[in-house]
Amino acid sequence: SQKIEQNSEALNIQEGKTATLTCNYTNYSPAYLQWYRQDPGRGPVFLLLIRENEKEKRKERLKVTFDTTLKQSLFHITASQPADSATYLCALLGSNDYKLSFGAGTTVTVRA
Amino acid sequence: GAGVSQSPRYKVAKRGQDVALRCDPISGHVSLFWYQQALGQGPEFLTYFQNEAQLDKSGLPSDRFFAERPEGSVSTLKIQRTQQEDSAVYLCASTKGESYNEQFFGPGTRLTVL
Repeated sequence: SQKIEQNSEALNIQEGKTATLTCNYTNYSPAYLQWYRQDPGRGPVFLLLIRENEKEKRKERLKVTFDTTLKQSLFHITASQPADSATYLCALLGSNDYKLSFGAGTTVTVRA
Repeated sequence: GAGVSQSPRYKVAKRGQDVALRCDPISGHVSLFWYQQALGQGPEFLTYFQNEAQLDKSGLPSDRFFAERPEGSVSTLKIQRTQQEDSAVYLCASTKGESYNEQFFGPGTRLTVL
């Protein structure tokens, strides 16, 4: 069965540094890989989407890479700020599918 | 509306009680999803509606769970004879239907079964 794994431990970083999160998957060939942000007590909020034929995508201070050979996506938050503190979820979607499959998430804490 | 809304935000039920959770999707959104999120985990798919049609209910844990969307807008997730393992956050999401990417989530209902 398909498996999605994100950084098993929480990430604590200093303000201004780059946070790098990983999302690895097995037994799956997603057409789309998405990243969501979730704050405590709130629902996930969509951040970025990358397609299987794309290697990299950027949006402001966020960068996502997608390596279908390694079955891995990396999510970078550059020049991190305390307001970036949240849980980040990766989610996979097949080409003819509607069900998002989520990883467990990685909690990021940015220290001022 | 401005976003997806859910009610109640918190629900405490005694084991064996029935509960009903409501979702108001973004106006005009065709597709509606229900997810269950356990503590420390990502959301898990429960069921999917396109307009009023429930096209997939494969994620519903048991026949105690029932969802409906009779007029293609508001949806209700009902759990009968609640059990402790039903305690979780129940999230609703909607999309325009043109794409299943970028799902818009509500704040969730936190259900605690005592």
